[in-house]
Amino acid sequence: QKEVEQNSGPLSVPEGAIASLNCTYSDRVSQSFFWYRQYSGKSPELIMSIYSNGDKEDGRFTAQLNKASQYVSLLIRDSQPSDSATYLCAVKSGTYKYIFGTGTRLKVLA
Amino acid sequence: GAGVSQSPRYKVAKRGQDVALRCDPISGHVSLFWYQQALGQGPEFLTYFQNEAQLDKSGLPSDRFFAERPEGSVSTLKIQRTQQEDSAVYLCASSLVAGQGAWDTEAFFGQGTRLTVV
Repeated sequence: QKEVEQNSGPLSVPEGAIASLNCTYSDRVSQSFFWYRQYSGKSPELIMSIYSNGDKEDGRFTAQLNKASQYVSLLIRDSQPSDSATYLCAVKSGTYKYIFGTGTRLKVLA
Repeated sequence: GAGVSQSPRYKVAKRGQDVALRCDPISGHVSLFWYQQALGQGPEFLTYFQNEAQLDKSGLPSDRFFAERPEGSVSTLKIQRTQQEDSAVYLCASSLVAGQGAWDTEAFFGQGTRLTVV
């Protein structure tokens, strides 16, 4: 079992819809969780961080964390074609190491 | 500089050749990370520096990989006797905060070096 698992996709949604991206992790003691966006051929950029159970909203993005079920999700409201990218889930493991999932490729159809 | 700068952007190496990849972090950033990203995969942790100290090198895949940050700013990742399986994008990231929770403030990635071993 991988430490951080994501469905590789592609996940296709129509423009204006809600995109839902999911991630599960295996380390029960993990405390810090991150969503990165990576455009093709570019480096990852941080979208959201979340540390507590529940929802955290930032503009069109909402991160959700459920430590009991060991999953974290990212919702993108009013999806735009410019949101088409690979979304990477990252979980802090130990003091320094961050474990990334393989990423979910999102396609927003105009 | 304005962001994390990596050079070269692209490197083609013949199998068995040694390569050196450079990372120039954001000025004043204490933490520096190296990651390896194979095609279609997420970044895999290689090593972590806090200033000049290499505090975690558990992700380095073999003793052919070596990283240094002698003055606590620029870092170099060296790969000796390159193999085809070393072909990947090598990403460097830096963040301002040191120690536990280093990524609780944003870590900024460089554009990466795409290494192709032929």
